Amino acid sequence: QKEVEQNSGPLSVPEGAIASLNCTYSDRVSQSFFWYRQYSGKSPELIMSIYSNGDKEDGRFTAQLNKASQYVSLLIRDSQPSDSATYLCAVKAGGYQKVTFGTGTKLQVIP
Amino acid sequence: KAGVTQTPRYLIKTRGQQVTLSCSPISGHRSVSWYQQTPGQGLQFLFEYFSETQRNKGNFPGRFSGRQFSNSRSEMNVSTLELGDSALYLCASSLGEGSDNQPQHFGDGTRLSIL
Repeated sequence: QKEVEQNSGPLSVPEGAIASLNCTYSDRVSQSFFWYRQYSGKSPELIMSIYSNGDKEDGRFTAQLNKASQYVSLLIRDSQPSDSATYLCAVKAGGYQKVTFGTGTKLQVIP
Repeated sequence: KAGVTQTPRYLIKTRGQQVTLSCSPISGHRSVSWYQQTPGQGLQFLFEYFSETQRNKGNFPGRFSGRQFSNSRSEMNVSTLELGDSALYLCASSLGEGSDNQPQHFGDGTRLSIL
């Protein structure tokens, strides 16, 4: 079983719609959760961090965390073609544990 | 504040050679992690260094090694290069303190091509 799972996509949404990206993880002691965006040929760029259950909003982005269900999601409102990229979910347990990345979901925003 | 700097950006080598990649973390960051990324494989964790010590290690053969210096700069070395080592090698830094939950920040990567 993969430690961090994401649907590889592609997830296609029309411009202006809400894109919903999902991620599940297996380690119950995970404490820190991150979303990265990676454009083709570029390195991952941090979008958001979330540490507590509930929602965290930053501009058009909302991260949602449910530790009981071991589920973290990223919502992108008013999706733009420039949001087309691969979105990586990353999870970290506490202390000296390494960060574990999912394989990413490719998002395509159709003009 | 300068970001994570990786050098060189591009590298072409032949099978059997060895290569050294360099990473300078964000100022104040003491943890440096290395990843290999190939199409379809996602980010594969190589190792993490903190205060000149390897703190975590991924499932790569011994041909892959690394080290960290007292100024937190890190290098990774790949010996006896194979065609399958062609990849984007990414370095990421974070504060790295004991209970650190801060995110990693990535450099632009080194694209290694093996002929």
